[in-house]
Amino acid sequence: DAKTTQPNSMESNEEEPVHLPCNHSTISGTDYIHWYRQLPSQGPEYVIHGLTSNVNNRMASLAIAEDRKSSTLILHRATLRDAAVYYCILTCGSSYGKLTFGQGTILTVHP
Amino acid sequence: DADVTQTPRNRITKTGKRIMLECSQTKGHDRMYWYRQDPGLGLQLIYYSFDVKDINKGEISDGYSVSRQAQAKFSLSLESAIPNQTALYFCATSENPGRGNTGELFFGEGSRLTVL
Repeated sequence: DAKTTQPNSMESNEEEPVHLPCNHSTISGTDYIHWYRQLPSQGPEYVIHGLTSNVNNRMASLAIAEDRKSSTLILHRATLRDAAVYYCILTCGSSYGKLTFGQGTILTVHP
Repeated sequence: DADVTQTPRNRITKTGKRIMLECSQTKGHDRMYWYRQDPGLGLQLIYYSFDVKDINKGEISDGYSVSRQAQAKFSLSLESAIPNQTALYFCATSENPGRGNTGELFFGEGSRLTVL
């Protein structure tokens, strides 16, 4: 399975944008890029996913590099509730639903 | 009420005991999963089931077994618990692949198991 690389931790201030990077240099053409986050003492929750084009939803935006070897999760205005571990995960059609989690990025949001 | 419910939420047991963790869902999804999370690490897939008659091993199935009693129920068993199975266990569900669905997994709140 193609692997992802994320920084161990990042910090942000409340109400500022946050850009969480993810490198996936061995991504294949059929791999989707998924982002999940895990709030303290909770199960992971879906944030966003994409294949080639940038994506927006109510939670975040996903910017995918043209060569697809990296992507960035964008939280437009961080809140204290966004403090969580963010996981960037690749998944392809044949492994639909089976996620391989790395260690993720611990996001700290300061008031 | 939660869409994916796990019981028990916390359990302390002794080495050698048989333990069952239960998961039930009201989302109507065919696909269900069991994941394990060790402190400070990501989740690892133990077993998954794409429908009632389908059971598949994940990355770390040794020492575990599962039962899919119905579409809504998926149980994880530790036949003879050992201390290194102390972890946080998560159940999840998802839809079948199809146009318009995100492939999103919906997770329960987790079952914390301690094996002494």
